[in-house]
Amino acid sequence: GAVVSQHPSRVICKSGTSVKIECRSLDFQATTMFWYRQFPKQSLMLMATSNEGSKATYEQGVEKDKFLINHASLTLSTLTVTSAHPEDSSFYICSAGFSGGVSYNEQFFGPGTRLTVL
Amino acid sequence: GDSVTQMEGPVTLSEEAFLTINCTYTATGYPSLFWYVQYPGEGLQLLLKATKADDKGSNKGFEATYRKETTSFHLEKGSVQVSDSAVYFCALSPPYSSASKIIFGSGTRLSIRP
Repeated sequence: GAVVSQHPSRVICKSGTSVKIECRSLDFQATTMFWYRQFPKQSLMLMATSNEGSKATYEQGVEKDKFLINHASLTLSTLTVTSAHPEDSSFYICSAGFSGGVSYNEQFFGPGTRLTVL
Repeated sequence: GDSVTQMEGPVTLSEEAFLTINCTYTATGYPSLFWYVQYPGEGLQLLLKATKADDKGSNKGFEATYRKETTSFHLEKGSVQVSDSAVYFCALSPPYSSASKIIFGSGTRLSIRP
């Protein structure tokens, strides 16, 4: 149980285009989803936290107009990188968590999406 | 604020060697503690966890004990394999009742020589 998928796993796009990444919780309802960015050989940097049906909370230094997050249902969150540039190239990882139960403060991670902007 | 400090890598060992990766934390109350593993090109997988003091998490031969008195959660394995080569992240989650942020350490890259 507690499987999280991401799509696509890898995407290459041209500079100036927008890219959408989907994060789905497959077998549970995620009250909260998190988006992380990971630079090569570094730890995960939390970008934003989203709760179903409400606006995402962005971490300091993350441009909310650049990284649009939508959490329209309890099983789906999307991250759209708008007007992508080469410096946006990175590994993006989502995670999902839920309230209550034994795993009340555990997150389940997706496999990640490698974005390359040319 | 809450933080996690883990030993810097890379760590290179021979197969069947004993492994220790140190992790200490700073937090108020009793956070949950985790070790995540990231294999090359993949996302994070939960390796083991402990939710209260003196708990021992274990999985795939790895162990870590929640030590409140030393605020530590060191990862150990008695005999490593080449397939254990990966990046290991120590992490904590504050003791709140809702799904909350996870604070990660900087990660330790482990390479095992055949």
